[in-house]
Amino acid sequence: SQKIEQNSEALNIQEGKTATLTCNYTNYSPAYLQWYRQDPGRGPVFLLLIRENEKEKRKERLKVTFDTTLKQSLFHITASQPADSATYLCALDISPNAGNMLTFGGGTRLMVKP
Amino acid sequence: KAGVTQTPRYLIKTRGQQVTLSCSPISGHRSVSWYQQTPGQGLQFLFEYFSETQRNKGNFPGRFSGRQFSNSRSEMNVSTLELGDSALYLCASSQPRGLDLAQETQYFGPGTRLLVL
Repeated sequence: SQKIEQNSEALNIQEGKTATLTCNYTNYSPAYLQWYRQDPGRGPVFLLLIRENEKEKRKERLKVTFDTTLKQSLFHITASQPADSATYLCALDISPNAGNMLTFGGGTRLMVKP
Repeated sequence: KAGVTQTPRYLIKTRGQQVTLSCSPISGHRSVSWYQQTPGQGLQFLFEYFSETQRNKGNFPGRFSGRQFSNSRSEMNVSTLELGDSALYLCASSQPRGLDLAQETQYFGPGTRLLVL
């Protein structure tokens, strides 16, 4: 069956360090993969999208890699701050047509300690 | 631009009742998707509407239904509520593909938290 897996355990890191979150998927051949941030009680917020022909994408302190051979994406936050504490979700669009049909991983909760 | 809005924000119902949730997308967005989020199952896709037509459907029973109006506003309905329907229901809107470089991006609303007793 199709599956997207993220480390379900919380990731605790010290402020200033780099946080690395993993997203693994099986039985998909996605054209792109997305990362979202979700704070408690709120809807997810889009962070980055990386296409299958892109190995790496950056946005400020964020970096995403996409290895379609390993079926894995890594999400990095450099110089992490307590304000980065949230749940991070990876998502694939599995729509068979031109629509939207996101399938999400279970999310990884990041805690950045001052 | 105003973001995606959802009403109501909180709702308490009893088993067997039905509920209707509303979503107003970002102005100009024609695609509206609905998701259910629970601690056990995470974020799960319910359905997507585009130009008043259901374009994609997730693996949920027929008790879950939706519709979209000509102004792109959408409603979802859950009939014969069960305890397991307690969840955060999220609506997301997006641009139609081809009109925006970030057309795949979903813009989520704050959600409606439904508690079924």
